[in-house]
Amino acid sequence: DAGVTQSPTHLIKTRGQQVTLRCSPKSGHDTVSWYQQALGQGPQFIFQYYEEEERQRGNFPDRFSGHQFPNYSSELNVNALLLGDSALYLCASSLGGGANEKLFFGSGTQLSVL
Amino acid sequence: SQQGEEDPQALSIQEGENATMNCSYKTSINNLQWYRQNSGRGLVHLILIRSNEREKHSGRLRVTLDTSKKSSSLLITASRAADTASYFCATDEGIYNQGGKLIFGQGTELSVKP
Repeated sequence: DAGVTQSPTHLIKTRGQQVTLRCSPKSGHDTVSWYQQALGQGPQFIFQYYEEEERQRGNFPDRFSGHQFPNYSSELNVNALLLGDSALYLCASSLGGGANEKLFFGSGTQLSVL
Repeated sequence: SQQGEEDPQALSIQEGENATMNCSYKTSINNLQWYRQNSGRGLVHLILIRSNEREKHSGRLRVTLDTSKKSSSLLITASRAADTASYFCATDEGIYNQGGKLIFGQGTELSVKP
């Protein structure tokens, strides 16, 4: 039973570029949430996708966008990268949306913006 | 802003000792969860306690929840070197919960020395 998989594991970009991160949820899960974790901090909620729609969004600018596909996999897109976007991006899957179920996290994508 | 605040920020103990971490939060909640993170990679769910529960056990873990004080504690008994990790509490937003947003604290970094 495959867990949550994220790709790529590491990524280096320069300011102003765009990046796409990918996530496949745990088998049987239909909900994907994305979090940003800066060094030494706790994860910060970016948004959650359920039934191919953005269900809830955290305090992130419109440069951060996402998508969920019919097979429940998801992408996170960040445009016009800033140095401050350097962080570990975590994808988490769950069942049925909401915040009352435990999350299963992937290993993350480490993004460095130079 | 952070909902949960963990205390202490760092904790160093010897193998066999007990480790206690505390979490405080600001708003009403439906449930509180604890996660563990090794070396800045993916988080692993440890335990979920609902707002109408006061105590929960899972193996060597014991979690308490005091909704009147808006606080929770995680106790790890008979710690092992393998317990070395960062521990985070995470809460939903209670009646303001519109979806799957979890709010994480900044974490407690636990070091267990053999």
